[in-house]
Amino acid sequence: DGGITQSPKYLFRKEGQNVTLSCEQNLNHDAMYWYRQDPGQGLRLIYYSQIVNDFQKGDIAEGYSVSREKKESFPLTVTSAQKNPTAFYLCASRVRANQPQHFGDGTRLSIL
Amino acid sequence: QQPVQSPQAVILREGEDAVINCSSSKALYSVHWYRQKHGEAPVFLMILLKGGEQKGHEKISASFNEKKQQSSLYLTASQLSYSGTYFCGTPWRGDNAGNMLTFGGGTRLMVKP
Repeated sequence: DGGITQSPKYLFRKEGQNVTLSCEQNLNHDAMYWYRQDPGQGLRLIYYSQIVNDFQKGDIAEGYSVSREKKESFPLTVTSAQKNPTAFYLCASRVRANQPQHFGDGTRLSIL
Repeated sequence: QQPVQSPQAVILREGEDAVINCSSSKALYSVHWYRQKHGEAPVFLMILLKGGEQKGHEKISASFNEKKQQSSLYLTASQLSYSGTYFCGTPWRGDNAGNMLTFGGGTRLMVKP
């Protein structure tokens, strides 16, 4: 079955540490997204990638970095510069503009 | 700038109807609706494009008034499975092509037996 796989489901970060969240899709979608969701809040866009080796910052990109070396993969690195990383992170993809975004099951990141 | 949703929360009895509104301060070319259950990923409901189309999904329908820059989601004869948080998404900043979305703060819907 096609879908989006995020891993790990839970992740803990120590102070000063960079951590990487994985996102893989086998839907053959061009566009991929990373969102952050805080408790009781909506989704905020971190990064967007339309094609391989191209990505665009969203509203809250500071302290985060991404890469898109393969169409299927869009990993997100939460750097030590992100001082408040505790949140639910969602990865999504879509086939083209104004089509549904398909979401992964998310990764919960907490600080140790 | 993110769209504004109202109400923030609503509690219904099974079989009752509800309306969720989504308003934008900017011209809208499309509105996307998603539902998220607690601790899960958002699930797509429908997309409305410029032109005032009304679309449906099960007993959930929506309208899009581009002049008023708002969309409304109508849930009729609500079922327990409708419980969750509903989000509307509108084109991010100047991205009228709909490549990127900005989401509202959500409306929490609880349906009781």
